[in-house]
Amino acid sequence: SQQGEEDPQALSIQEGENATMNCSYKTSINNLQWYRQNSGRGLVHLILIRSNEREKHSGRLRVTLDTSKKSSSLLITASRAADTASYFCATHTGNQFYFGTGTSLTVIP
Amino acid sequence: DTAVSQTPKYLVTQMGNDKSIKCEQNLGHDTMYWYKQDSKKFLKIMFSYNNKELIINETVPNRFSPKSPDKAHLNLHINSLELGDSAVYFCASSQVPVGALGNEQFFGPGTRLTVL
Repeated sequence: SQQGEEDPQALSIQEGENATMNCSYKTSINNLQWYRQNSGRGLVHLILIRSNEREKHSGRLRVTLDTSKKSSSLLITASRAADTASYFCATHTGNQFYFGTGTSLTVIP
Repeated sequence: DTAVSQTPKYLVTQMGNDKSIKCEQNLGHDTMYWYKQDSKKFLKIMFSYNNKELIINETVPNRFSPKSPDKAHLNLHINSLELGDSAVYFCASSQVPVGALGNEQFFGPGTRLTVL
């Protein structure tokens, strides 16, 4: 299936450090999105990057996309305790939409 | 103002029962979805409706039946509940369907279903 795989599965860092999460997928895509899920809550959209874009920024978030390697990364700079959550990539291909397996991020104050 | 709301938040029921989960969005979106998230946090799309029309119907047991009375509502009815149906079910909506660019989805808070 096209389901994205995220790496690492879990990540624990100190507040103020940067966090990098990676997403790999299998087939060509129209766009890729990143979502955040706080414990016990619904997902919140963070950023969308189109297949013809290589990098996108939003506040402390930086997303890159390498379509030749079929991978994307999400960088959170200067992390805060409130960034503790699970992060999912989601790939969009035609009429198909698949979420990745998620990275659980813990930011220690 | 809650953008996407679901009821109930928790649902505990016996095997074999029939139950419904309701979803409403006040964003004026045309497209709504149902997702199932299992205990390992794996999130899988089940259905998608655009303007009350079913456009995505993934491989889901036919015990699950979505119903969209209007663009703002998408309900999920589950017949003959099984243990494996225990999961968190999320409703979501977007301005445009999955096939269109800019398909940012807004999620509800989820309904935790436990089948005993």
